[in-house]
Amino acid sequence: GQNIDQPTEMTATEGAIVQINCTYQTSGFNGLFWYQQHAGEAPTFLSYNVLDGLEEKGRFSSFLSRSKGYSYLLLKELQMKDSASYLCAVRDSNYQLIWGAGTKLIIKP
Amino acid sequence: DADVTQTPRNRITKTGKRIMLECSQTKGHDRMYWYRQDPGLGLRLIYYSFDVKDINKGEISDGYSVSRQAQAKFSLSLESAIPNQTALYFCATSANREAGELFFGEGSRLTVL
Repeated sequence: GQNIDQPTEMTATEGAIVQINCTYQTSGFNGLFWYQQHAGEAPTFLSYNVLDGLEEKGRFSSFLSRSKGYSYLLLKELQMKDSASYLCAVRDSNYQLIWGAGTKLIIKP
Repeated sequence: DADVTQTPRNRITKTGKRIMLECSQTKGHDRMYWYRQDPGLGLRLIYYSFDVKDINKGEISDGYSVSRQAQAKFSLSLESAIPNQTALYFCATSANREAGELFFGEGSRLTVL
């Protein structure tokens, strides 16, 4: 079957760095996405990786290793507004998105 | 105004009632999706449509039906609601197959008593 694993919850301190991991087993691979979802709101797109390596976008970076079925989202200089759930999703061989359950990130002052 | 609009935002209903959730978009996208989100689970695809004449079942379509009335409108119906359909429902759009990025509506929280 297809599976996306990510930690349920993480806690970090304002101003620090946090890495949220995602491992996947899917039928084919056509890209990996990270979305941010604040409580009670819609998910919003953060990043997309289709080739191995690091994609940087401001304070957020996303890394992909296709051979390991692994990705991480790196958040730097954490701010209180970064408190949210972070969803990892993989697009399979049929171009369907398979979603992880999300990682709830709690930022403490 | 939001590019993807869902109505109603909140609804409480009783078992056996028919419910319709509506979605409209101004992004001009052909592809539209309905997802449900439950605590501790990833987003699960209910139905999707690549254009007005193309409707496809997702992984959890049982108990649901959809209608694509126009490029901009995609409605989800629960013919006879049951309590385990209590969830947060999201409509989403995407530009094309390669684009990948989904644009979500604000969500419709449905409670079935």
